[in-house]
Amino acid sequence: DAMVIQNPRYQVTQFGKPVTLSCSQTLNHNVMYWYQQKSSQAPKLLFHYYDKDFNNEADTPDNFQSRRPNTSFCFLDIRSPGLGDAAMYLCATSRDRGGNEQFFGPGTRLTVL
Amino acid sequence: AQSVTQLDSQVPVFEEAPVELRCNYSSSVSVYLFWYVQYPNQGLQLLLKYLSGSTLVKGINGFEAEFNKSQTSFHLRKPSVHISDTAEYFCAVIGPVGSYKLIFGSGTRLLVRP
Repeated sequence: DAMVIQNPRYQVTQFGKPVTLSCSQTLNHNVMYWYQQKSSQAPKLLFHYYDKDFNNEADTPDNFQSRRPNTSFCFLDIRSPGLGDAAMYLCATSRDRGGNEQFFGPGTRLTVL
Repeated sequence: AQSVTQLDSQVPVFEEAPVELRCNYSSSVSVYLFWYVQYPNQGLQLLLKYLSGSTLVKGINGFEAEFNKSQTSFHLRKPSVHISDTAEYFCAVIGPVGSYKLIFGSGTRLLVRP
């Protein structure tokens, strides 16, 4: 089945130690999104890629970066994780922008010690 | 800016009872509307969506929702819930049509009791 895969499902890192989360998709969608979801809150969009075009949300901290080396893969890099960055990170894809349904991966739960 | 309000943070209901989860959005411009379900420690799964056409939308797992433009609402309903429906439900909007950004409500936790 076509799907969105996130690895790892659970990630533990230390305060200030860089961490990379991975997302891959077999849907061949043009758009890939990264969301941050803190406990009991709605997902918050960090940024998205439309093909190779990177689009950052205005309130996304500089500590968060992303890479999309090809259509299938997208990475979320957290340069210096703080305790406040502990959250579920969700990757999603859509065929195009402008109202297309977004397909979500299972998420990576990040713990910062 | 577009916003979504889910007034009920938690809705307890007995198994086999009907349920309605409320959702209101802010804008009167043309919008796309979605309901997603999230089970513990999992991603979001699309239940149903309204893009255009019939205002009554049927989704998976027996859920349906009705788009009401005059009241800017998109309430989710199920005539008879199961224990397995216990989850977090998010209403979301894309608006105006053509925008890329999916705006989520704060979520409603549906708790189905035996």
